Amino acid sequence: EVQLAESGGGLVQPGGSLRLSCAASGFTFSSYWMSWVRQAPGKGLEWLANIRQDGNEMFYEDSVKGRFTIARDNAKNSLHLVMNSLRVEDTAVYYCGRGQTTFEYWGQGTLVSVSS
Amino acid sequence: QSVLTQPPSVSGTPGQRVTISCSGSSSNIGKNTVTWYQQLPETAPKLLISNNNRRPSGVPDRFSGSKSGTSASLAISGLQSEDEADYYCSAWDDNLGGHVVFGGGTKLTVL
Repeated sequence: EVQLAESGGGLVQPGGSLRLSCAASGFTFSSYWMSWVRQAPGKGLEWLANIRQDGNEMFYEDSVKGRFTIARDNAKNSLHLVMNSLRVEDTAVYYCGRGQTTFEYWGQGTLVSVSS
Repeated sequence: QSVLTQPPSVSGTPGQRVTISCSGSSSNIGKNTVTWYQQLPETAPKLLISNNNRRPSGVPDRFSGSKSGTSASLAISGLQSEDEADYYCSAWDDNLGGHVVFGGGTKLTVL
């Protein structure tokens, strides 16, 4: 059974940093593109970034480019999102998803709250 | 403001057929396939339709997708109360250098 489990969310002050993780199981992690998608409270879905199977190609949404870094560790079946210079508007539930453009599986999400 | 445009809400009665539209442009829906997701209250999104009209295993055939030009539609027939959810369309956008774009979402209410 494919499972994705996010962790690392929490309360952080504006300008702070946070590292999210996504533990994958039930499939050959190194064979799939992986992505991060977020959802602000009461709002819609927003794609953030994706990363190729070998970790050597990444794409970012403009509002997070230069602040967020997507990375993966195929040996540990894990996906990460390092978030720097966090803003109040980054407050959201962050989901990891399997896939590059179509997300076949999603994790349960982890809540990031940016507030002073 | 979302790149793909969906109606904020639609409603229907049990047994009815409803459709949700998704309007884009030549750089996204016009060139690439459309995906639909269902998000039940307080849960993560779930893949509903991929490649414009393909249902993953386990998705009832009451759900169907179509695409024409720069627009797409999700149709739900034989509406059931458990279909009450938010629905999102998405597509790859060539103009945005490898970006995935979503619609703003449509809240389906079963009356």
